[in-house]
Amino acid sequence: GAVVSQHPSRVICKSGTSVKIECRSLDFQATTMFWYRQFPKQSLMLMATSNEGSKATYEQGVEKDKFLINHASLTLSTLTVTSAHPEDSSFYICSARSGSTDTQYFGPGTRLTVL
Amino acid sequence: SQQGEEDPQALSIQEGENATMNCSYKTSINNLQWYRQNSGRGLVHLILIRSNEREKHSGRLRVTLDTSKKSSSLLITASRAADTASYFCATVPYNQGGKLIFGQGTELSVKP
Repeated sequence: GAVVSQHPSRVICKSGTSVKIECRSLDFQATTMFWYRQFPKQSLMLMATSNEGSKATYEQGVEKDKFLINHASLTLSTLTVTSAHPEDSSFYICSARSGSTDTQYFGPGTRLTVL
Repeated sequence: SQQGEEDPQALSIQEGENATMNCSYKTSINNLQWYRQNSGRGLVHLILIRSNEREKHSGRLRVTLDTSKKSSSLLITASRAADTASYFCATVPYNQGGKLIFGQGTELSVKP
């Protein structure tokens, strides 16, 4: 089946620094990638949708200048949390989809802790 | 923009019993999907049911969809301790680029 990887799996950083999270589709071309955030004991909240080669579409309430998304190739999307603060600590999960299929393939997630 | 609500929020049963989780949503959908998540881990896709389908089976899983009531249910039969996890429904709203909108989830605990 299709595999999506995320790197790093876990990151701890100081407040004010920026953190980049990578999402890769390993065996298929992902025309669309999605980024989600999940706080403890809560559900996944869609942050943004990114299509290869175009600007990401952010959900309401998500700051696009704080969460920079780049989808430069058909196998890689990155999420950069800029000037991270403790309230940005969360589990970030990406998913990838090929073409217009219904199925999204999820990465294993990245746990971000901002001290 | 979460649109799904699930109940119960938490469910505790004995091994061998059946577990039923319900999901309601608000808008027209292309399909509805169920996922499982073990604590602190990624998502596992369980089953997808399209808007023109009413029932679907996969192993011990049975999913129903009632588009007139905008609701779905997931039944796990003959539960096992390994089924302990959080279960989420997620809808693909009609004409919104294929994004998934997740429900709040049901935390299932199956006691051996």
